[in-house]
Amino acid sequence: DQQVKQNSPSLSVQEGRISILNCDYTNSMFDYFLWYKKYPAEGPTFLISISSIKDKNEDGRFTVFLNKSAKHLSLHIVPSQPGDSAVYFCAARGGAGGTSYGKLTFGQGTILTVHP
Amino acid sequence: KAGVTQTPRYLIKTRGQQVTLSCSPISGHRSVSWYQQTPGQGLQFLFEYFSETQRNKGNFPGRFSGRQFSNSRSEMNVSTLELGDSALYLCASSLSQVALGTQYFGPGTRLTVL
Repeated sequence: DQQVKQNSPSLSVQEGRISILNCDYTNSMFDYFLWYKKYPAEGPTFLISISSIKDKNEDGRFTVFLNKSAKHLSLHIVPSQPGDSAVYFCAARGGAGGTSYGKLTFGQGTILTVHP
Repeated sequence: KAGVTQTPRYLIKTRGQQVTLSCSPISGHRSVSWYQQTPGQGLQFLFEYFSETQRNKGNFPGRFSGRQFSNSRSEMNVSTLELGDSALYLCASSLSQVALGTQYFGPGTRLTVL
């Protein structure tokens, strides 16, 4: 039972354009969502997060949108740069009152390639 | 400030053996979590330790165990290794429990079971 899904295994974007990475979840008890970036031979690096009580959070070129009714979140990168090429994971944290309290559940990851 | 360190970085074992992986969290961080990453399953939560106590556990068999020391360093042990245990094992630390804080990951230990 995959509670967090990233349905696009890969995404290819031209430098300077917008990259949109998507993530869907099924557990309504998730209270916090995070995006991580991972380069080969390194551990994931925290990128940006959003609380379930918000619908948007922005940090420089990165914006995360949360649509609770659709159980969907997305990460927008504008403008995309070649250095953004990496694997992006979305993760959801179990909220209080649920069986997954405090646990992070990760999606499968999306490989983003930004072409110069 | 030094990041999360994991040792060893690479390990090759044979079926039936056991293995111990080590993780040193960021200075001041008291929570350490372990994850298994495989191509088919993505990142899966193993367990979390906070103040030397296991606070949370994923859906893994009892062959997977861990502990945390008073200096917050953590070890993970896998006994009776199986081929399917081949994976990248990631350790992550945070100031407080995962429920309250953002995690910072180490580079991982690549375990290959032959």
